[in-house]
Amino acid sequence: ETGVTQTPRHLVMGMTNKKSLKCEQHLGHNAMYWYKQSAKKPLELMFVYNFKEQTENNSVPSRFSPECPNSSHLFLHLHTLQPEDSALYLCASSQEGLAGGEQYFGPGTRLTVT
Amino acid sequence: SQKIEQNSEALNIQEGKTATLTCNYTNYSPAYLQWYRQDPGRGPVFLLLIRENEKEKRKERLKVTFDTTLKQSLFHITASQPADSATYLCALPYGGGSYIPTFGRGTSLIVHP
Repeated sequence: ETGVTQTPRHLVMGMTNKKSLKCEQHLGHNAMYWYKQSAKKPLELMFVYNFKEQTENNSVPSRFSPECPNSSHLFLHLHTLQPEDSALYLCASSQEGLAGGEQYFGPGTRLTVT
Repeated sequence: SQKIEQNSEALNIQEGKTATLTCNYTNYSPAYLQWYRQDPGRGPVFLLLIRENEKEKRKERLKVTFDTTLKQSLFHITASQPADSATYLCALPYGGGSYIPTFGRGTSLIVHP
């Protein structure tokens, strides 16, 4: 256990559905991240929140909408996704935020868009 | 921006041997470099961080070196075990003033009993 939990672990959704991914960290960290990992590709950084403020949006399509109500919780709201959005979505947290530092990852949500 | 290169071919070794994985980067020397382990279908797990002013770092059977002249880091696992089989990722700051780590594709290590 890394201290970062994600729910659900698996999600199948149609292109017209709306769903949300949830991440919670129990480490007292200040920064939280969303990454996308597709087969045979490196981890792609999507969003960064530092002290609940969004500091990075890595040119992510608007069908992905993040929300960070406090330093311990992070959501990724999904709507009208495309089949190419099928991937493993990973949440991470770190203590040092924008200064870098080791990241603690959750187990991920395996998303399939049909 | 930084380009990170890790061998895309799997590394196959026999149990008990030393595994050596390579991470090359193309541009400026990063302030730090990290190594992570990732098992199939799971999130990466942090292993080691080495800073730009450090040549070598050790943790149990793991050793990382950092050569800023060659723009390369080597990751060694001594006395490898089948349980060490996983994908190993290196990560370093993206650049442009950001210290947030960006990840390489990773190299798969398979340790045969």
